[in-house]
Amino acid sequence: GQNIDQPTEMTATEGAIVQINCTYQTSGFNGLFWYQQHAGEAPTFLSYNVLDGLEEKGRFSSFLSRSKGYSYLLLKELQMKDSASYLCAQVNSGYALNFGKGTSLLVTP
Amino acid sequence: EAQVTQNPRYLITVTGKKLTVTCSQNMNHEYMSWYRQDPGLGLRQIYYSMNVEVTDKGDVPEGYKVSRKEKRNFPLILESPSPNQTSLYFCASNPFPGGNTEAFFGQGTRLTVV
Repeated sequence: GQNIDQPTEMTATEGAIVQINCTYQTSGFNGLFWYQQHAGEAPTFLSYNVLDGLEEKGRFSSFLSRSKGYSYLLLKELQMKDSASYLCAQVNSGYALNFGKGTSLLVTP
Repeated sequence: EAQVTQNPRYLITVTGKKLTVTCSQNMNHEYMSWYRQDPGLGLRQIYYSMNVEVTDKGDVPEGYKVSRKEKRNFPLILESPSPNQTSLYFCASNPFPGGNTEAFFGQGTRLTVV
């Protein structure tokens, strides 16, 4: 699979804003997903970007820059329940999903 | 309720004893896939299927088989399990590959091979 890079761990405070970055290889790009996964549970869909720019969905937003091979997930007004892993996944030229290793986010009081 | 159902949720087995993990979706999705998730490695695709009788290898297919005889079912078969196949497995389905269709994941199967 293609290389997807995202930080391994992040910590943020309840009520704050956190940005989780993801870089990917630009060749064969067909879109980028963000998923949330709580420990031991199935990943759940958060957002999808295929064009440059920001997609906003309530407290969560996702940004894409295709020329830079870069995306970020922005979480606002953090809540304790946001403690989870956040998975960046690229849709490649074969329409398969290539996942990054995930960023484990810990929200502290 | 739209869902992807995997069974069993937990399984402990011995090396070499054939096993099947079932996956069924009730959304009439064309595309189904299997992933394994290991600490520090993330989700890696094992096999995928674009439609009935159409399957192809993902990134880590060794030691696994799949079949897609019906649209709703996509079982994962381990003919001779080995300890390195101890992992958390997820089945997923999409309406069709590509585009902005999100993948719907099953609840996972935690497999231990001793």
